[in-house]
Amino acid sequence: AQSVTQLGSHVSVSEGALVLLRCNYSSSVPPYLFWYVQYPNQGLQLLLKYTTGATLVKGINGFEAEFKKSETSFHLTKPSAHMSDAAEYFCAVSDLNDMRFGAGTRLTVKP
Amino acid sequence: DAGVTQSPTHLIKTRGQHVTLRCSPISGHKSVSWYQQVLGQGPQFIFQYYEKEERGRGNFPDRFSARQFPNYSSELNVNALLLGDSALYLCASTWKGLSNTEAFFGQGTRLTVV
Repeated sequence: AQSVTQLGSHVSVSEGALVLLRCNYSSSVPPYLFWYVQYPNQGLQLLLKYTTGATLVKGINGFEAEFKKSETSFHLTKPSAHMSDAAEYFCAVSDLNDMRFGAGTRLTVKP
Repeated sequence: DAGVTQSPTHLIKTRGQHVTLRCSPISGHKSVSWYQQVLGQGPQFIFQYYEKEERGRGNFPDRFSARQFPNYSSELNVNALLLGDSALYLCASTWKGLSNTEAFFGQGTRLTVV
């Protein structure tokens, strides 16, 4: 069965600093991997996804993630944090019939 | 185009009652998935429906059921509500199955069981 582990339930960075949110997955088939962001009292918005092809994936709002099969990882990064990036971030793995989410990482951005 | 719409946005129920949550997918999308998100946790997969058939089911008791209508909208039903069913219920729509397609999420229904 597929699963996702997000390392660190809370991450705090200063505005302008590098953002790194960690995600490791387990899947018996080639995975489809996603990062979603959730703002308070809202649904989930897709940041980026990996399906096939280039392992470095660029998403919205300056975020990117790199698929590393040997490490079973799909970490999310952003070179320079902005106050508006403060939110909950979820990594997810999908096959044809279901999508599994990690427990989430709450990102706090300090001025 | 309207996004995924869910109704109601909030509701309060008493233990033992029944609840029906509704979801309308994005126009042209044929698949709907349901998730339960307990406060402080990630969404947990409940069901996926594609072309009106159940295609996936998560680890939830039989008190949870769902269906998809010819217009691709969907209902999630929960019987004999427990306090632990209090959560944000999210609906997501995709063009077809989940796989590599982007799932578009509604804003959710906040269910409180008292």
